[in-house]
Amino acid sequence: QQQVKQSPQSLIVQKGGIPIINCAYENTAFDYFPWYQQFPGKGPALLIAIRPDVSEKKEGRFTISFNKSAKQFSLHIMDSQPGDSATYFCAASMGASKLTFGTGTRLQVTL
Amino acid sequence: GAVVSQHPSWVICKSGTSVKIECRSLDFQATTMFWYRQFPKQSLMLMATSNEGSKATYEQGVEKDKFLINHASLTLSTLTVTSAHPEDSSFYICSAAATDFESPLHFGNGTRLTVT
Repeated sequence: QQQVKQSPQSLIVQKGGIPIINCAYENTAFDYFPWYQQFPGKGPALLIAIRPDVSEKKEGRFTISFNKSAKQFSLHIMDSQPGDSATYFCAASMGASKLTFGTGTRLQVTL
Repeated sequence: GAVVSQHPSWVICKSGTSVKIECRSLDFQATTMFWYRQFPKQSLMLMATSNEGSKATYEQGVEKDKFLINHASLTLSTLTVTSAHPEDSSFYICSAAATDFESPLHFGNGTRLTVT
């Protein structure tokens, strides 16, 4: 599988802060870049996704920034809340099917 | 939204026995389903791609005779872990997308397998 590198491995922010999680990919054929949120003992839930024809996409408090030339994309969580504490995975694929996942970021939002 | 149901949510079995995990797409048809395996605090690793009406495609290093996949209909795929051993203990997660190429993947809630 083609690699997707994700950083940081873990992140602690205070409530209201804006955690930023970064991912980089190698395969220029990737054309679909989703972010998933996973709580312990649960399957991943799709948060937001972007295709390379746009540089930014916002849905609620979640924003993806995409830099095609650098082959990088990032997730920003605005006004973070303790309920956002979870593991976040970026992923990439050709079409919205066979995903290659990043290594995950464990986010903790403190009061 | 699209719902993928996985059953059972957890199972404990003895070494040498087989365990079947079901993955159902509840409100859409899925020609393709994917099976992932996740170890604690690690990422999801794709095991195989399950295609309705045909043989599954396994990723490198995954034993197809140990992890039997059947995709008998557009809403059901099963993963059978045969002759389970303690090292097969893991979190198994399936995912599915509607037949529309543009539809995103949705995941089941996973099955925690413990082999004693």
